[in-house]
Amino acid sequence: DADVTQTPRNRITKTGKRIMLECSQTKGHDRMYWYRQDPGLGLRLIYYSFDVKDINKGEISDGYSVSRQAQAKFSLSLESAIPNQTALYFCATSDLSRTGELFFGEGSRLTVL
Amino acid sequence: KQEVTQIPAALSVPEGENLVLNCSFTDSAIYNLQWFRQDPGKGLTSLLLIQSSQREQTSGRLNASLDKSSGRSTLYIAASQPGDSATYLCAVLDRGSTLGRLYFGRGTQLTVWP
Repeated sequence: DADVTQTPRNRITKTGKRIMLECSQTKGHDRMYWYRQDPGLGLRLIYYSFDVKDINKGEISDGYSVSRQAQAKFSLSLESAIPNQTALYFCATSDLSRTGELFFGEGSRLTVL
Repeated sequence: KQEVTQIPAALSVPEGENLVLNCSFTDSAIYNLQWFRQDPGKGLTSLLLIQSSQREQTSGRLNASLDKSSGRSTLYIAASQPGDSATYLCAVLDRGSTLGRLYFGRGTQLTVWP
């Protein structure tokens, strides 16, 4: 099993729908991140969390919200999806108290029609 | 704000060549630098992690160096193979005002042809 698991892996939805992307990790890391990747724009940080009670906005948080339900779970929500949120979304984890190495999930491809 | 630049954006070489991919960053206050590989439509796989106190790391045919004072890292790939074809990204973990923030370059798209 993967250390960082994202669900769903692929999702097609319509404008205005609420979408939740989920991430769970078995690495015991305190830090979790949500990124989106668009062709030509690279990876951009949406939200990050240093522990269950510490959640921070990244570069492009507008239109997104997150929930850190437990140390191992970090969910990303799109309350009302729009077409320009079509992208590949990645969850990542790290543990700064050790090496700070970043580990990624396999990604969730979201298409908003 | 930390900015990370990767040059070249794309590289196409014949099999067997030794390659150098470049990564530069604007703020030397980093915790570490990490190189990743990404295959099309897939997640990022960590290749090498260099802590700020280290100068280089090696894994098989890969060697990454770090020069914090000049804000540069290079990824050296020896004896390239078609299976090395992928996008390579570098990321720095910022030690500055936003401790724990990672900043990514846009990647170098590598094609190794037989």
